[in-house]
Amino acid sequence: NAGVTQTPKFQVLKTGQSMTLQCAQDMNHNSMYWYRQDPGMGLRLIYYSASEGTTDKGEVPNGYNVSRLNKREFSLRLESAAPSQTSVYFCASSVARDGEQFFGPGTRLTVL
Amino acid sequence: QKEVEQDPGPLSVPEGAIVSLNCTYSNSAFQYFMWYRQYSRKGPELLMYTYSSGNKEDGRFTAQVDKSSKYISLFIRDSQPSDSATYLCAMSPPGDSGAGSYQLTFGKGTKLSVIP
Repeated sequence: NAGVTQTPKFQVLKTGQSMTLQCAQDMNHNSMYWYRQDPGMGLRLIYYSASEGTTDKGEVPNGYNVSRLNKREFSLRLESAAPSQTSVYFCASSVARDGEQFFGPGTRLTVL
Repeated sequence: QKEVEQDPGPLSVPEGAIVSLNCTYSNSAFQYFMWYRQYSRKGPELLMYTYSSGNKEDGRFTAQVDKSSKYISLFIRDSQPSDSATYLCAMSPPGDSGAGSYQLTFGKGTKLSVIP
């Protein structure tokens, strides 16, 4: 039982490049989330998916897109990376809206 | 004013001390309160989850919620070096159906070091 897994663990991009962060959970959870964590800013919600087939914006969605590929997988795409998107990105999942959110190990992204 | 305020520390205590970590908030709609622990370069993990006001105890950890003061606390008794981590408070209002919301608001975290 791996819990929540994220790939890649580290990534360096140049401004304007695109990439997709992958997230998968094996706990049969309905809801999945993408957060970013920046020094002095705490964790902020980018997008979430309440259930398979639905996605909704969080606090900081600009510059990102998401896809809930199936119940297990939730990807985050940066179409044209900017230095302001340098951050640590965490994926999380939960059984339901008020259930415990389980976090993955994070992806450390640097945009030059 | 930020919705959730948390002193970033760092906080350094000797092993065996009682640690008090706190958050204040401004949104009176918050009903669900959580404490997460985050070790360096790891994802957060849930420590305590409380609904509305009151106390909750789990081993060496006690969470308190005072909604009248908009103030939540986490106490760690007999602190250990393994407790050295960043502690994040998080909270949410009820969702549409009255259960918790999907959107948690996090504090910035308090970095704790327990010195042997």
